[in-house]
Amino acid sequence: EVQLVESGGGLVQPGGSLRLSCAASGFTFSNYWMYWVRQAPGKGLVWVSRMNSDGSSTSYADSVRGRFTISRDNARNTLYLQMNSLRVEDTAVYYCAREPAAGGLDVWGQGTTVTVS
Amino acid sequence: SYELTQPPSVSVSPGQTARIPCSGDALPRQYGYWYQQKPGQAPVPVIYKDIERPSGIPERFSGSSSGTTVTLTISGVQAEDEADYYCQSADSSGTMVFGGGTKLTVL
Repeated sequence: EVQLVESGGGLVQPGGSLRLSCAASGFTFSNYWMYWVRQAPGKGLVWVSRMNSDGSSTSYADSVRGRFTISRDNARNTLYLQMNSLRVEDTAVYYCAREPAAGGLDVWGQGTTVTVS
Repeated sequence: SYELTQPPSVSVSPGQTARIPCSGDALPRQYGYWYQQKPGQAPVPVIYKDIERPSGIPERFSGSSSGTTVTLTISGVQAEDEADYYCQSADSSGTMVFGGGTKLTVL
């Protein structure tokens, strides 16, 4: 079964740090670009960051650039999001998702909740 | 920054047809994608590359594209289709963008 499982969320004070993980299974992780998408309480989906399949290229939303770092370990089939200098407005459910060749995001994790307060 | 515009809400009666538009200047050059999200759940893709339907998605879900607008159509709406629907595309640099979401209410 193709699956993405996020972990690492929690409650953190403003200015603090968290590292999210996304464990992939059921597919060849190293073949796919991977994304982080977040959703603040009661709000819509917002793209956060993406990394290409071999980890050589990254991109970030303006709201997190310089504070968040995306990375991956293809040997461990895991995607990461290091979040530093967290702000109250970073409070959200964070999803990891896979981009297939057709584009879009075809597989999503269940999400992990980050609360900055 | 680039935006995709969706109506905040759409309401239809069971068995009727729901149409949810999404507009954006880059849509003539970039594909549109649609996701269904029910409360407390992760988004589920229902349309990709403007008009394609993933396996397992009912045939009542369809997509179309015309100019700067892509549209999700749900024919013969059922109570289980009540959810939030998000369009997604990319700007001219390829950066992913989501619409603000549309809450579909089945009356």
